[in-house]
Amino acid sequence: GAVVSQHPSWVICKSGTSVKIECRSLDFQATTMFWYRQFPKQSLMLMATSNEGSKATYEQGVEKDKFLINHASLTLSTLTVTSAHPEDSSFYICSARRGANQPQHFGDGTRLSIL
Amino acid sequence: QQPVQSPQAVILREGEDAVINCSSSKALYSVHWYRQKHGEAPVFLMILLKGGEQKGHEKISASFNEKKQQSSLYLTASQLSYSGTYFCGTIEYGQNFVFGPGTRLSVLP
Repeated sequence: GAVVSQHPSWVICKSGTSVKIECRSLDFQATTMFWYRQFPKQSLMLMATSNEGSKATYEQGVEKDKFLINHASLTLSTLTVTSAHPEDSSFYICSARRGANQPQHFGDGTRLSIL
Repeated sequence: QQPVQSPQAVILREGEDAVINCSSSKALYSVHWYRQKHGEAPVFLMILLKGGEQKGHEKISASFNEKKQQSSLYLTASQLSYSGTYFCGTIEYGQNFVFGPGTRLSVLP
C-alpha cells in the first residue's frame, strides 16, 4: 500500500500562534508532496507543490511567507502556518506521490481552528 | 483550469447505477478519480492516461474519451458505502494537477 501520515489531526490555538503540520510517506519515497486547503462543502484547493530538496512552488494567491513549506527528505514535508489568524482556520490536507504519472495518496488532514 | 463535473449531486437507492462526468475544454494529459467521505481525506480510485481507455475497479469503472477531454465514472449497483463526494482531478499538458468541484453522491437504503 501507500500510506501517508499527517499530524496533528486537530489543532486549536490562539491568534498569533505559529502551527506546524507534518506529512510523512510511511512506506514509499515521495518525489513530490502537495498541500491543499479545503473549506466545508468545497473542493480541495492546491496551495503548493513541494519537491524534495528544492523550494516549494506556491499557487497564485497563496502567501509563501505565511505558509512555510519545507521538504527536507523524500518522506517528510512540513507546512508551518505563521502567526495564524481566525481566517486561516480550515482543513489542511497533504498528499504524496511516487512519480509524475502516479496517483496522489492523502494524509488524514489537519483541522486548524484559530481562536 | 478547473474541470467541470456533473451532476453536482445525485441521490440513489441502493442497487441503482450512477454516472459522474468530468470534462475539460482542453485535451488532458491524465484524469484521476477520488472519493472523499465527510471529514476524511480523499481516497484514490483510478487514473486514466490514454484516449479511449476504460478501467474497472470492482463495480466502479471509468472511461476516458478519444479526444482526452472527457471522462466518466460509472457506479454500478451502488452500495451504501459508495456515498461521498467524488472528485475528478485533471492534468493539462504542461500544467499542474487541479481538482474538479466534486459530485456529492448519497446512496439511500
